[in-house]
Amino acid sequence: EADIYQTPRYLVIGTGKKITLECSQTMGHDKMYWYQQDPGMELHLIHYSYGVNSTEKGDLSSESTVSRIRTEHFPLTLESARPSHTSQYLCASSAQENNEQFFGPGTRLTVL
Amino acid sequence: DQQVKQNSPSLSVQEGRISILNCDYTNSMFDYFLWYKKYPAEGPTFLISISSIKDKNEDGRFTVFLNKSAKHLSLHIVPSQPGDSAVYFCAASALRTSGTYKYIFGTGTRLKVLA
Repeated sequence: EADIYQTPRYLVIGTGKKITLECSQTMGHDKMYWYQQDPGMELHLIHYSYGVNSTEKGDLSSESTVSRIRTEHFPLTLESARPSHTSQYLCASSAQENNEQFFGPGTRLTVL
Repeated sequence: DQQVKQNSPSLSVQEGRISILNCDYTNSMFDYFLWYKKYPAEGPTFLISISSIKDKNEDGRFTVFLNKSAKHLSLHIVPSQPGDSAVYFCAASALRTSGTYKYIFGTGTRLKVLA
């Protein structure tokens, strides 16, 4: 069982609020990723990190930002949530770059 | 423009029979392919992978076949069990020009195994 955690699991919030989605892993993986998935659609990579103080934008443009101050922690922040941000956000990590990724349970975000 | 396509959104199979899930891709630079399984309210879990230098990889009841000339891979589950009912995602990775790897996921196929 993969040791990667995301909180909260579900979040309903009003427009304009600042939110942070937490992701932590205890496997010591250097590589961490954030994906966004809408129902019935593919996962889209929005951010990734190859180690502490390393963050890059993914293939899907996102208004969110991420930080990687500690190896085990990769939070995602939305400064001002909008209804268009409603989606499922999945965090993942991997030991090596081209290895299988271990996913957290996801955060389902609804912005009203 | 989807580079990884799973054209069957759903599939129903009788318990004990073979389940075959298909995936097509367009980018010949993909060099590693993976299958993930996802249950409701959980994140995807890794199932099986195959390198582009192979055409088959087997792990217990799960076998992945790769046909590079057709740019097609398939996941075979035999025998299928009710616990296999989930959404299955195909994913492919390729080396970017920046030297990092890029994962592309399909839209998933919902498998239902009937008891």
